Parts: sequence; structure tokens; C-alpha cells
Amino acid sequence: DAKTTQPNSMESNEEEPVHLPCNHSTISGTDYIHWYRQLPSQGPEYVIHGLTSNVNNRMASLAIAEDRKSSTLILHRATLRDAAVYYCILTPLYTGANSKLTFGKGITLSVRP
Amino acid sequence: DAGVTQSPTHLIKTRGQQVTLRCSPKSGHDTVSWYQQALGQGPQFIFQYYEEEERQRGNFPDRFSGHQFPNYSSELNVNALLLGDSALYLCASSFIQGDGDEKLFFGSGTQLSVL
Repeated sequence: DAKTTQPNSMESNEEEPVHLPCNHSTISGTDYIHWYRQLPSQGPEYVIHGLTSNVNNRMASLAIAEDRKSSTLILHRATLRDAAVYYCILTPLYTGANSKLTFGKGITLSVRP
Repeated sequence: DAGVTQSPTHLIKTRGQQVTLRCSPKSGHDTVSWYQQALGQGPQFIFQYYEEEERQRGNFPDRFSGHQFPNYSSELNVNALLLGDSALYLCASSFIQGDGDEKLFFGSGTQLSVL
């Protein structure tokens, strides 16, 4: 499986945008890019995913580099509730593949009031 | 609409014992996966159940087994518990759409402590 590389941690101020980077230089043409986050004492929560084009939803935006070797999760206005571990995960394109997620250590986001 | 529910929330067992953890998937979901999360680490995939059969399995020994029932709920069984089995066990559910575009919904987990 292709691997992802993320910084260990990042800090942000409340109500400011946050850009969380992820490198995946060995990504294949059919790998999806998923982001999940895990708040303290909870299970992981789906955030967003994409294949080639940038994606937006109510939680965040996903910017995918043209060569697909990196991506950035964008939280437009960080809140204290966004403090969590964020995981960038690649999954191959086959039915049921997204059940078998390979989590790394993720990036721990701290949000300052 | 209830999300993924797991029981119990906490459990304490002794080495060598057996444990059963339970999971009810989100309404409308047909697939259940189990993950183990050690302290300070990301979750690790144990196995996936779909149509009452184990479809995919991670790198876990045969001591870890599971079952899926006709109502899509699932159990995770661990035999001959070791101290190293102490972890948060997470259940996730999804609906197989056939295009690899599924999202996982996780429960809050069962914290297992083996003494």
C-alpha cells in the first residue's frame, strides 16, 4: 500500500484557517485520498476524500496537487472543537477497500483560543 | 438515527481469558470492520465482515475471530488474552456501493484492559 507522510503536530489560532499537509509520493493513479480525524476519547470521524479534483464539504476542503503526490486539508475557520488527530490515508479503488484503512500516527492539531 | 454503537464501553479481563465485544452498525449499513488502537497509535485493521463472511483480514493472529449476524450486527472475539491485547477496539460500519467510494462511520470503542 502507498504510504503517507504527515508532520507530527501543528498549532493554530481559533477562527483562523488551518492547512494540514500530507505527502504521498508513491500514490497510484487509482488511489483515493481520505482524511479522517479523531477527537479525544472518540472513534475516528470521516472528514473528506477525493481522487483527482479539489473537494469541498461542510467540514473542510481538500486541495490535491496536480501530480497527486501531495494534498492539503483546509479547515477554513478553526474552532476549539477541531483540536484532534488528523489522518491522511490512501485507499485503492476496489469495492470494500475503504473498510481496510491503514492509519499512520496522523498529525495532532492544537487550537489556541 | 443512531450511529455505530459498541458494548461494553470498558472491560477488564485477566490473561488467558476470552472476551466478546459487540457492535451495531449505523442504520442502512451492511458492512462492519474492526480496528485495534493501542495508546498513542493509529487504529490497526483487524478484519471486515460483509454478508456474514470475513472478507478482508489484517495482520492479526487466529485468536481474533468475529461474526456478523443477519441484522448486520457483529461480534469480535479474542481468545487466550495477552497483556498486549490491551487497547481500544473500534467498530466501523459502511455501505458497500460497488465503486470503492465508501465512507466509514466509527463507534466510540470498547476499552479493553488485560491484567
